[in-house]
Amino acid sequence: EDKVVQSPLSLVVHEGDTVTLNCSYEVTNFRSLLWYKQEKKAPTFLFMLTSSGIEKKSGRLSSILDKKELSSILNITATQTGDSAIYLCAVEEGTSYDKVIFGPGTSLSVIP
Amino acid sequence: ETGVTQTPRHLVMGMTNKKSLKCEQHLGHNAMYWYKQSAKKPLELMFVYNFKEQTENNSVPSRFSPECPNSSHLFLHLHTLQPEDSALYLCASSQASGRNTQYFGPGTRLTVL
Repeated sequence: EDKVVQSPLSLVVHEGDTVTLNCSYEVTNFRSLLWYKQEKKAPTFLFMLTSSGIEKKSGRLSSILDKKELSSILNITATQTGDSAIYLCAVEEGTSYDKVIFGPGTSLSVIP
Repeated sequence: ETGVTQTPRHLVMGMTNKKSLKCEQHLGHNAMYWYKQSAKKPLELMFVYNFKEQTENNSVPSRFSPECPNSSHLFLHLHTLQPEDSALYLCASSQASGRNTQYFGPGTRLTVL
């Protein structure tokens, strides 16, 4: 059965800390891995990763995919209270049909 | 504010009611999606439409009926729902299905009494 696992499920850090969120997957036909940030309601897109070993960066956030280990990490440096959110990892898989499997999310709380 | 809008934002309905959720995207995309997010569960993909054709039905019960009259509009018709169907229903769109970034709407918070 296809699945996406994230760890930790929740995390509390102080402002300025660096955090690493983990995502691992087991899918039949991997196409890409996606990271989303969810605050209040709708998730907002962060990164799409398709190639192993290539880091994607956006400000203080960065992510990298390891296809050999079937995993990805999302790093956030110098965390701020505005980073508090649920971070969702999702994997697109399939051949002729779309299928996106989401992980349970990591709930990050950044305290002043 | 994103280019994907959803109405209503909140909906309370009884188990015998019939209601519809509406999604509209103003991004010129060709693919649209319905997701369900229940409390303490991962986000679940329900339906995918690509160029108005349904390409994915992720084992969704027939009490949920999608409709995609054109590439900009997507509906989710609801009838005889159960309390466990209470959840946040998210709509998303992308340029085409597959390897494209999905943009999400704000969601409809549905409560079934």
